[in-house]
Amino acid sequence: AQSVAQPEDQVNVAEGNPLTVKCTYSVSGNPYLFWYVQYPNRGLQFLLKYITGDNLVKGSYGFEAEFNKSQTSFHLKKPSALVSDSALYFCAVRASNTGFQKLVFGTGTRLLVSP
Amino acid sequence: SAVISQKPSRDICQRGTSLTIQCQVDSQVTMMFWYRQQPGQSLTLIATANQGSEATYESGFVIDKFPISRPNLTFSTLTVSNMSPEDSSIYLCSARQDTNYGYTFGSGTRLTVV
Repeated sequence: AQSVAQPEDQVNVAEGNPLTVKCTYSVSGNPYLFWYVQYPNRGLQFLLKYITGDNLVKGSYGFEAEFNKSQTSFHLKKPSALVSDSALYFCAVRASNTGFQKLVFGTGTRLLVSP
Repeated sequence: SAVISQKPSRDICQRGTSLTIQCQVDSQVTMMFWYRQQPGQSLTLIATANQGSEATYESGFVIDKFPISRPNLTFSTLTVSNMSPEDSSIYLCSARQDTNYGYTFGSGTRLTVV
C-alpha cells in the first residue's frame, strides 16, 4: 500500500531564512512524488513533481525538492522564505505501476513565515 | 496544464437534501478523482471516475451516498445525497493529465449542512 508521512504539523521560519518541509513515502515499485500548496479557502496548487531523471526537482515560486531513494524522502526546500509562502503544504505519492493511478496525500504541514 | 472549473464554490444545505457538484476541465482527461477534505486537514479520496465506466469507490464511501457521473472526457459531477451535518466538508475534484503525469485540482466546494 502507498503511504506518505509528513512528520511536522507546523514549520516556523523567519523571512529570508531557508525552509525545509519534510516528506517520506512508502510505495511498491518506483514512486511518482508531488508537492502541492493550499492557501486558505483555495484548492490545491501544484508546486513540483518527481517522475524520473534528476533527483533535484525545481518547481514554482522558487521551491525545489530532492528525491532520495535510499531514504525514501522527498523534502521540499526553498533558499529564502517569504511571508507569502505561509500556507498548508501537502506531499503526495503514486506508485508508477498502480492501475488506477490515484494520489495518496500526507497529513499536511502548515508553514508559517514570520516577518 | 489543465484548468478545472468547480461549482458551486460553497453552499449551505438543509439536512436530508442533496447537492450536486460539477467539475469542468478545459481539456480531455482520462481520469478524474473526487476528494473530501476537512478544513486544514488532509485529502481523503472518495472515488475515481473514468469516462464510460462505473466509478471506483474507496473504502468507506458508497455509490448510494456519493453518486458520480462522468458523461465525457471533460466533465464530472459528484452528488452528496441525503446530507447530514457530518457531510460538512470541502469537496475537491482532480484530473490526471494524460500527457505529463500531472494532477490538477479544482478550487473546491465548501459544504455546510445545517
